Amino acid sequence: GDSVTQMEGPVTLSEEAFLTINCTYTATGYPSLFWYVQYPGEGLQLLLKATKADDKGSNKGFEATYRKETTSFHLEKGSVQVSDSAVYFCALVSGGSNYKLTFGKGTLLTVNP
Amino acid sequence: GAGVSQSPSNKVTEKGKDVELRCDPISGHTALYWYRQSLGQGLEFLIYFQGNSAPDKSGLPSDRFSAERTGGSVSTLTIQRTQQEDSAVYLCASSLAPIQGGTEAFFGQGTRLTVV
Repeated sequence: GDSVTQMEGPVTLSEEAFLTINCTYTATGYPSLFWYVQYPGEGLQLLLKATKADDKGSNKGFEATYRKETTSFHLEKGSVQVSDSAVYFCALVSGGSNYKLTFGKGTLLTVNP
Repeated sequence: GAGVSQSPSNKVTEKGKDVELRCDPISGHTALYWYRQSLGQGLEFLIYFQGNSAPDKSGLPSDRFSAERTGGSVSTLTIQRTQQEDSAVYLCASSLAPIQGGTEAFFGQGTRLTVV
């Protein structure tokens, strides 16, 4: 079945540090890939997405590139801010289902001033 | 409304009681989903509605769980004879169309269920 593996947290960084959160997947067909973010006290929000190989999703300074050859979708940001502190979830919707999101377990990021 | 609304935001119930969790999706969204978020299991898919019908109920953990959607809008998730392992945050999401192809799913803030 479909699965998503993302790096274990928690991750603690200082402001302006570089961020990478690794995500790899196993899926049927050609999945669409997503990063969701959950800020403290808020619901899940879509951060960025990519729907085909070599696509790069980007939003709020975050980027992730859909790498079919390595089945990866790593999240990166060049300079994190305190306001980026949140839980980040990698997710996919596979070709076998056009509606069911499969999530990774989430990575808690804390950014200190 | 502006977003997906869930009620109640918190629910504490005694083991063995029934509970109903409500979801108001974004107006016009035909697709609706329920997920469960727990510490040990992460985010698990429960059920998917397209309009009022549920083509996929495969994620419902047992026959104590049921869900319905009326008028293509509000959905209710019912848990009968609650057990302590049902304690989790129940999330509802909606989207204009099925998610494949990159359509965004919008999530509510969830209902935190605690079974004591």
